[in-house]
Amino acid sequence: EVQLVQSGGGLVQPGGSLRLSCATSGFSFSGYAMTWVRQAPGKGLEWVSAIGGSGATTYYADSVKGRFTISRDNSKKTVYLQMNSLRADDTAKYYCAKTRSWVAADFDYWGQGTLVTVSS
Amino acid sequence: QSVLTQPPSVSGTPGQRVTIPCSGSSSNIGSYFVFWYQHLPGTAPKLLNYHDFERPSGVPDRFSGSKSGTSASLAISGLRSEDEADYYCAAWDDSLSGPVFGGGTKLTVL
Repeated sequence: EVQLVQSGGGLVQPGGSLRLSCATSGFSFSGYAMTWVRQAPGKGLEWVSAIGGSGATTYYADSVKGRFTISRDNSKKTVYLQMNSLRADDTAKYYCAKTRSWVAADFDYWGQGTLVTVSS
Repeated sequence: QSVLTQPPSVSGTPGQRVTIPCSGSSSNIGSYFVFWYQHLPGTAPKLLNYHDFERPSGVPDRFSGSKSGTSASLAISGLRSEDEADYYCAAWDDSLSGPVFGGGTKLTVL
């Protein structure tokens, strides 16, 4: 059974940092890209970042480029999202998703989500 | 404003058929596969349709996707109360070099 279990998140002040984790099981982790998607309160889904299976390639939405860093540890089957210089508009529920194919929007399994609140 | 356009809400009665449209452009829907996700509040989004109209195993055939040109739609037949959720279309976008989502459509079963 494929499982994605998220951790991290919480309340942070503007300008602060936070790291999200997404521990996976049930599939060949290194064989798949992984993606982070977020949903701000009352808004729709927004793609944030993605990383290739080997970790060599990374992609970012313009809204987070230069502030967020995606990484993965294939030995731990875990993907991370390091979020720096956080702003109020980063407040959202963040989801990790197993990515079946990258040049698509093909996310076949998702984590349960973790809430990030940026506020003073 | 989302790159893909969906109506904010649709509604129907049990047993009815409803359709959720999704409008895009040549840089996304017109060139790439469309995916549909069901999202119940407090839960993880669920893949409903991929590659325009394919269904993952376990998804009932009541959920059927289609595409024509730069528009797509998700039809839900035999509406049930448990279908109440938010539905999102998504596709790759060449201009943004990333996946894009519609704004989401809230389905209410009356």
